[in-house]
Amino acid sequence: GAVVSQHPSRVICKSGTSVKIECRSLDFQATTMFWYRQFPKQSLMLMATSNEGSKATYEQGVEKDKFLINHASLTLSTLTVTSAHPEDSSFYICSARSPLTGETGELFFGEGSRLTVL
Amino acid sequence: GQNIDQPTEMTATEGAIVQINCTYQTSGFNGLFWYQQHAGEAPTFLSYNVLDGLEEKGRFSSFLSRSKGYSYLLLKELQMKDSASYLCAAWDSNYQLIWGAGTKLIIKP
Repeated sequence: GAVVSQHPSRVICKSGTSVKIECRSLDFQATTMFWYRQFPKQSLMLMATSNEGSKATYEQGVEKDKFLINHASLTLSTLTVTSAHPEDSSFYICSARSPLTGETGELFFGEGSRLTVL
Repeated sequence: GQNIDQPTEMTATEGAIVQINCTYQTSGFNGLFWYQQHAGEAPTFLSYNVLDGLEEKGRFSSFLSRSKGYSYLLLKELQMKDSASYLCAAWDSNYQLIWGAGTKLIIKP
């Protein structure tokens, strides 16, 4: 199947700092990538849809100035958590659909990034 | 509103069969997915159903009834490595993916 790689897998930072998470599609071009966050024992919550070459589409309640998304190329999307606070501590996961999978529309997920803000 | 309902947790015995149910209410419907998620890891795709009926894939099968807004994931010959959360997700009319909270499956020897 298609491969999506996410980095870093774990990051610990101090409150007030910014953290950048990268999401790469390794063997296909992804015009659209999706960013999720997941709190313990909860389901995935879509934060935003990242569109190559244009602005991301944010879900209701997600602060676009706090969670900056850049999708500068067909294989890379980045999520920057600006001025992180402890309540931003979560598991952040990116995903994309590969044009190679046809109509099933299955999502390929990155490994996830666990952010801990002290 | 749109929502997905699935049991929070289930327990089964190694070698046995378990069925995880999922009901959905969405604005339109374009298919239903099942994903497996091990603790601390990202989800991995298991199945996709868009037509009524049973789709079998090795030890895992997925069933869909669109008229009932119902799906189940059937796992046979359970192995310890099947201990994970199983996420049900449905595509609405706009191809927005609506996620369930997941069912944590505990396998006992």
